[in-house]
Amino acid sequence: AQSVTQLGSHVSVSEGALVLLRCNYSSSVPPYLFWYVQYPNQGLQLLLKYTSAATLVKGINGFEAEFKKSETSFHLTKPSAHMSDAAEYFCAVSDTGNQCYFGTGTSLTVIP
Amino acid sequence: ETGVTQSPTHLIKTRGQQVTLRCSSQSGHNTVSWYQQALGQGPQFIFQYYREEENGRGNFPPRFSGLQFPNYSSELNVNALELDDSALYLCASRVSGGALRTGELFFGEGSRLTVL
Repeated sequence: AQSVTQLGSHVSVSEGALVLLRCNYSSSVPPYLFWYVQYPNQGLQLLLKYTSAATLVKGINGFEAEFKKSETSFHLTKPSAHMSDAAEYFCAVSDTGNQCYFGTGTSLTVIP
Repeated sequence: ETGVTQSPTHLIKTRGQQVTLRCSSQSGHNTVSWYQQALGQGPQFIFQYYREEENGRGNFPPRFSGLQFPNYSSELNVNALELDDSALYLCASRVSGGALRTGELFFGEGSRLTVL
């Protein structure tokens, strides 16, 4: 069975500060891991994905995430937060791709 | 390239009624899945369709049913609506089969259902 835990339902950072959103996963097989972003009243947009290639994955808008098997983690980072980064972020895990299991989300607030 | 489109964007129903939500998949995508996102929660997998057949289902009762058409578009039907069915319903499409099996989903903007 697969599952995702996102630590911290709300994260606030100052504009220009480091963004760190935490995600831990549980999977019985080598997983596919994803981070999606959701802006108000919109669907989900893929930020980045891990598919067993490089453990450090770079995505859109300056985000990146590192797959750490020993820690079963896939934390999302961005060196410098921008006001436009304010949104809801979801970590998700999938095995064969038939079903994605999403975390409960982390709401990111960027303080000017 | 046309993305995933869903209709209607908003609708209000009363308890016990039935609803049909529609989804057009992204061009070239042959697999459609539906997710329910309750307020303040992450999306929950309802089911997936590939080649017009359901090939995966989450923990949802049979009153949630669906269809996929030859052009890969899809419908989600919910019978006997309950108050807890109020949510954002997201359709997602992807390519299945062959070497591309990463599972990346492309989402529509959703249909927000309110059950009174």
